Amino acid sequence: DIQMTQSPSTLSASVGDRVTITCRASQSISSWLAWYQQKPGKAPKLLIYKASNLESGVPSRFSGSGSGTEFTLTISSLQPDDFATYYCQQYNTYETFGQGTKVEVK
Amino acid sequence: EVQLVESGGGLVQPGGSLRLSCSASGFTFSSFSMNWVRQAPGKGLEWVSYISGSSTTRYYADSVKGRFTISRDNAKNSLYLQMNNLRAEDTALYYCVRDSYCGGECFPYYFDSWGQGTLVTVSA
Repeated sequence: DIQMTQSPSTLSASVGDRVTITCRASQSISSWLAWYQQKPGKAPKLLIYKASNLESGVPSRFSGSGSGTEFTLTISSLQPDDFATYYCQQYNTYETFGQGTKVEVK
Repeated sequence: EVQLVESGGGLVQPGGSLRLSCSASGFTFSSFSMNWVRQAPGKGLEWVSYISGSSTTRYYADSVKGRFTISRDNAKNSLYLQMNNLRAEDTALYYCVRDSYCGGECFPYYFDSWGQGTLVTVSA
C-alpha cells in the first residue's frame, strides 16, 4: 500500500500569508496526485489534480507542484475563506489520502 | 448542477447490516465511475469502494473486502453500498463520490463531486 504523509498536521497563519503544505508518498506516484479542501461539516472540494492542474473555478492563488514522491500545495496569499483542512490523495495505485493539514487562524 | 444525495445511514449493532443509497442528478450517470469514501468522526478520508459506469469493474479497500458490496442502477441514477457484518470501526460518514470524467474506466482516479454524506454508527 502507498502511504501518504502530510506536513505539518496543523498550520497557523494570517490573512495574506503565503502557505505551503507538503505531501510525501511512500513510493513514486508520478504525478497522480490531487488536493482537496474540506471545511467543517462540508464535503471535500477538489482543488488540484495531476499534481499541478487547477480545477475549474478554483482561485489562482492555489497552486500545486511536485512529482515522484514529494508534492506541495501553495496558497499564495491566504484569504479568510481558505481556513480549512487540506488533504492530498494519490491515485497511482488504488486511492489513499494523507492525514490532512488544518490551516487555522494565527 | 451535479447533485449526489446519500441516504440509508443510521445506528446498527455490531454484526448487523445496512444498505446505503446515493441518488445522482445533473449529469449522465452511466458515463461516470462512482465511489464510496468514508470519514470516521474527527478523522481523515478513506476510500472504500469503486464501480465503473457499466458495473463491469468493482474494487474494494482491504478493510471492507468480503463484507461490503457496491452496485448501481443506471436506469434509476442510483449507487448503492450493501454493508454486512458491520464493526465498530466502520462508524463513519459515508460519501458518494464521482470520478472525474476520463472517457472510459480509469481506476484509480481523482474525484470531482461529493455528496454531503450519510452517517453510519455501529454500536451496541
